[in-house]
Amino acid sequence: DADVTQTPRNRITKTGKRIMLECSQTKGHDRMYWYRQDPGLGLQLIYYSFDVKDINKGEISDGYSVSRQAQAKFSLSLESAIPNQTALYFCATSATGYGYTFGSGTRLTVV
Amino acid sequence: AQSVTQPDIHITVSEGASLELRCNYSYGATPYLFWYVQSPGQGLQLLLKYFSGDTLVQGIKGFEAEFKRSQSSFNLRKPSVHWSDAAEYFCAVGDPSSGGGADGLTFGKGTHLIIQP
Repeated sequence: DADVTQTPRNRITKTGKRIMLECSQTKGHDRMYWYRQDPGLGLQLIYYSFDVKDINKGEISDGYSVSRQAQAKFSLSLESAIPNQTALYFCATSATGYGYTFGSGTRLTVV
Repeated sequence: AQSVTQPDIHITVSEGASLELRCNYSYGATPYLFWYVQSPGQGLQLLLKYFSGDTLVQGIKGFEAEFKRSQSSFNLRKPSVHWSDAAEYFCAVGDPSSGGGADGLTFGKGTHLIIQP
């Protein structure tokens, strides 16, 4: 099994719908992250969490919310999806002295 | 605020030739530095990282990177590329005062590497 698992891998949804992307990890890391990748823009940080009670906004948090259900689970929600949220979304974990471990990504299309 | 610049959007290299991908950063002190590779349809895989010490860092898959403080650069190199190296490469920086990027890494926009037969 992968260290960081994201579900679903692909999702097409309609404008205005609520959607949740899920992430689980077996690394035992406390820190978890959600990034968004758009072609030519690199990765941008949406939210990050140091533990279940510590949630922080990243540089592009508007229109998104998160929930840290347990040390190993961190979900990202789009309350009312819009087309410009079409992107590739990555979950990642980290620990001091290490780089980040990324999931395989969720490709989200909002029509 | 920290920033990362990867000047080359695309690079084409012949198989067997040497490779250098450029990365420049803007930060008040020496950040933690990372190179990641993303193969098509895949997540990002860590190639190597620099925190301190020896400025020449060895990574996986035969890659190395050199930190040059005077140039604020952390260029990635490989002496001989293989067709399987075709991918997107990202340079990233983390704030040492936050535990090496605990509050998130800042990524460059990536360099797309094409390998010619």
